[in-house]
Amino acid sequence: DSGVTQTPKHLITATGQRVTLRCSPRSGDLSVYWYQQSLDQGLQFLIQYYNGEERAKGNILERFSAQQFPDLHSELNLSSLELGDSALYFCASSPRRTSAADTQYFGPGTRLTVL
Amino acid sequence: GENVEQHPSTLSVQEGDSAVIKCTYSDSASNYFPWYKQELGKGPQLIIDIRSNVGEKKDQRIAVTLNKTAKHFSLHITETQPEDSAVYFCAASPVYGNNRLAFGKGNQVVVIP
Repeated sequence: DSGVTQTPKHLITATGQRVTLRCSPRSGDLSVYWYQQSLDQGLQFLIQYYNGEERAKGNILERFSAQQFPDLHSELNLSSLELGDSALYFCASSPRRTSAADTQYFGPGTRLTVL
Repeated sequence: GENVEQHPSTLSVQEGDSAVIKCTYSDSASNYFPWYKQELGKGPQLIIDIRSNVGEKKDQRIAVTLNKTAKHFSLHITETQPEDSAVYFCAASPVYGNNRLAFGKGNQVVVIP
């Protein structure tokens, strides 16, 4: 158990809908990362937050947004869902923001199925 | 951006033998190389990592070697056991003030009892 929690574990919804994925980082970790895992694209970095502020953006669609709250939990919002958004979404956390690489610990993921 | 490639995509080994997975990366500025193990239905679990100031690191049956000149790094698992069967991902982290990980596509390792 990494200490990172994600809810829900599974999510089934329809095209055009909007969903929210939630992540609680390990105790004391200030950085949260979101990754998408699909069969064809593998694990792709989406976005990073540090202590409530956006730090880096990867291949995140404009339909997707995220935020990190004062208690450091984070939410990933996916809107106008398409079939291709079906994937596993992982949250990871790390202790600090640094220019040197920081170890990231992954949560169990949320499996999103768009029908 | 960083491009990480893994070979082979699938690896079958007899229990007790060694398994080696190789990764190459493209960005010479990358300085952090973790390996993750992912079992079915679970999130990636960090098993070992190496930073660019070190050429080799070992933790019990697992070792990682890094060749910065050639831009490749490898995971070595010795005395493989059935519980080592999983998908293994390598990753690289460029240093641009953030910590995003660029992952390889993963290797399916099957340990045959």
